[in-house]
Amino acid sequence: SQTIHQWPATLVQPVGSPLSLECTVEGTSNPNLYWYRQAAGRGLQLLFYSVGIGQISSEVPQNLSASRPQDRQFILSSKKLLLSDSGFYLCAWSVVRGKEQYFGPGTRLTVT
Amino acid sequence: AQSVTQPDIHITVSEGASLELRCNYSYGATPYLFWYVQSPGQGLQLLLKYFSGDTLVQGIKGFEAEFKRSQSSFNLRKPSVHWSDAAEYFCAVESYNTDKLIFGTGTRLQVFP
Repeated sequence: SQTIHQWPATLVQPVGSPLSLECTVEGTSNPNLYWYRQAAGRGLQLLFYSVGIGQISSEVPQNLSASRPQDRQFILSSKKLLLSDSGFYLCAWSVVRGKEQYFGPGTRLTVT
Repeated sequence: AQSVTQPDIHITVSEGASLELRCNYSYGATPYLFWYVQSPGQGLQLLLKYFSGDTLVQGIKGFEAEFKRSQSSFNLRKPSVHWSDAAEYFCAVESYNTDKLIFGTGTRLQVFP
């Protein structure tokens, strides 16, 4: 069966510090991968998605970036965090040409 | 452009009461539709999905949803709510010809004993 992991589970970082969040999927090959952000009390905002290694599409301009160095690994990064980057970050995967997405447990990021 | 509307931001029900959460979508053809549930501090869990065929779909945890093309709706129902159903519920529709989903803003369900 497929599983999706995210780490860390929680993170507190000062403004201006770098960020690296990791997401890995097990039990499937060549998945579509997604990064979402959920601000407090808000819905889901799609940040990035990837249909293959090295293929990243950005949905919104921001100081975040994403990379996919391996087939089942998706990384969200920032060189300098802003207060507005605080939120709950969710990674998700879907089967290529499939429709439903499966979500990881999320990372709670607090920028202080 | 496709869109999803969940008109109820917050719903409160008593345990054992029936539940219906509303979802309306905008789409040019027969859409792929989904309902997800999110407990506090956790990821989203897929409750059910509709692709085609029978318009009444059954999901996990005793939930069902009915696709009504004439009303562009995909409402989620449960005949008897349990306290553990308290969570946020998201409706989603596929973004046509892409691998992305469009999510509604969510409905927060509170359950009173």
